[in-house]
Amino acid sequence: GDSVTQTEGLVTLTKGLPVMLNCTYQTTYSPFLFWYVQHLNEAPKLLLKSSTDNKRTEHQGFYATLHKSSSSFHLQKSSVQLSDSALYFCALDNYNVLYFGSGTKLTVEP
Amino acid sequence: AQTIHQWPVAEIKAVGSPLSLGCTIKGKSSPNLYWYWQATGGTLQQLFYSITVGQVESVVQLNLSASRPKDDQFILSTEKLLLSHSGFYLCAWSPDWGRENTLYFGAGTRLSVL
Repeated sequence: GDSVTQTEGLVTLTKGLPVMLNCTYQTTYSPFLFWYVQHLNEAPKLLLKSSTDNKRTEHQGFYATLHKSSSSFHLQKSSVQLSDSALYFCALDNYNVLYFGSGTKLTVEP
Repeated sequence: AQTIHQWPVAEIKAVGSPLSLGCTIKGKSSPNLYWYWQATGGTLQQLFYSITVGQVESVVQLNLSASRPKDDQFILSTEKLLLSHSGFYLCAWSPDWGRENTLYFGAGTRLSVL
């Protein structure tokens, strides 16, 4: 069945460093992938989405490229800020249902 | 602008007691509606979705039920709570049917079952 894998549960970085959060997926359909971000005690919000192979999509300094050849949609940022500390979810759309990965908690330290 | 309101903000309930959580969307006619459950610090699991009044589809079986009595209202309920029902319940809506739809989440209801 459809699934999403996020390999890092916790990532801790110093402000100003680059970050990459991994996301791989499995689906029998043409993939639609999302990144949602959830700050502490808040609701999740959409960060990025894509269904186009090999096209970089960007928002708020974050970027990701869907690679169908490797079934990946990794999230990156060149320089993390303290405000980026949050829980990040990768998700896969399967028509009526959105499958979320287990999430990666990013903590940015001064 | 569209707004989504969930109630209550938090609940503490006893095992075996009934539960009713609600969600109202204003400013959008015929939204697609969803219920999600999130264990503390965990992932989001879709429970139900609805594309029209009176029609609800179940995604996972967790001894919960959902109803859509009005176009702008989505209700999650159970007659008998379990300890495993504890967590964060999020209602969400999307503007259109089809893929690549953005979900807009409510602020959620935190449920503690004791």
